[in-house]
Amino acid sequence: DFVMTQSPDSLAVPLGARATINCKSGQSVLYSSNNKNYLAWYQQKPGQPPKLLIYWASTRESGVPDRFSGSGSGTDFTLTISSLQAEDVAVYYCQQYYTSPLTFGGGTKVEIK
Amino acid sequence: QVQLVQSGAEVKKPGASVKVSCKASGYTFTGYYMHWVRLAPGQGLEWMGWINPWNGATDSAQQFQGRVTMTRDTSISTAYMDLNSLTSDDTAVYYCARGEGPGYDWPSDYWGQGTLVTVSS
Repeated sequence: DFVMTQSPDSLAVPLGARATINCKSGQSVLYSSNNKNYLAWYQQKPGQPPKLLIYWASTRESGVPDRFSGSGSGTDFTLTISSLQAEDVAVYYCQQYYTSPLTFGGGTKVEIK
Repeated sequence: QVQLVQSGAEVKKPGASVKVSCKASGYTFTGYYMHWVRLAPGQGLEWMGWINPWNGATDSAQQFQGRVTMTRDTSISTAYMDLNSLTSDDTAVYYCARGEGPGYDWPSDYWGQGTLVTVSS
């Protein structure tokens, strides 16, 4: 199985500051035939289902604010929130969908400092 | 609009089984895989498995193989997840989630509201 490792487990960032979350895959999730990274990022707030933010490692889902961005390729990926807002307090997960079984990272809790 | 509506909360005793339903609307049910994901207290998201509603094919995470059964009823656009031999470690919120494309290799764009399953003696 693909192991997805996120870091840090939690971080506290001042309002308006940048938040950066890392995700490392045990194997590459880059499919060479289409040059796509099969990596998604989700946001989950308490009591709500997860919300898809980013897919193909860097494509923002419709309606997601542009302060959220994804980058990386192969095995190393980053989710960046450029200017943290109060409504961004949540747990963030990466997921590989390159192969079945699909796997999630352990999650990163983002709070306001 | 796409909607996934799950069945209500359940309380089960250890050793019992639970069946969670997920009724889809607003899209062609057989055109998109359905995934099942759970969130246990204090834990992270855990992917359980998928079903191809077109032909009923399934795959599941190794830790659930032999305990989970995923089925569907295309006549009512509903997917089901059956988990047996429940223990307290299975206490969690269970979600169904639609894959964004025609295979398993797509992210999940729409999610059900979640079904709380509590396992307690």
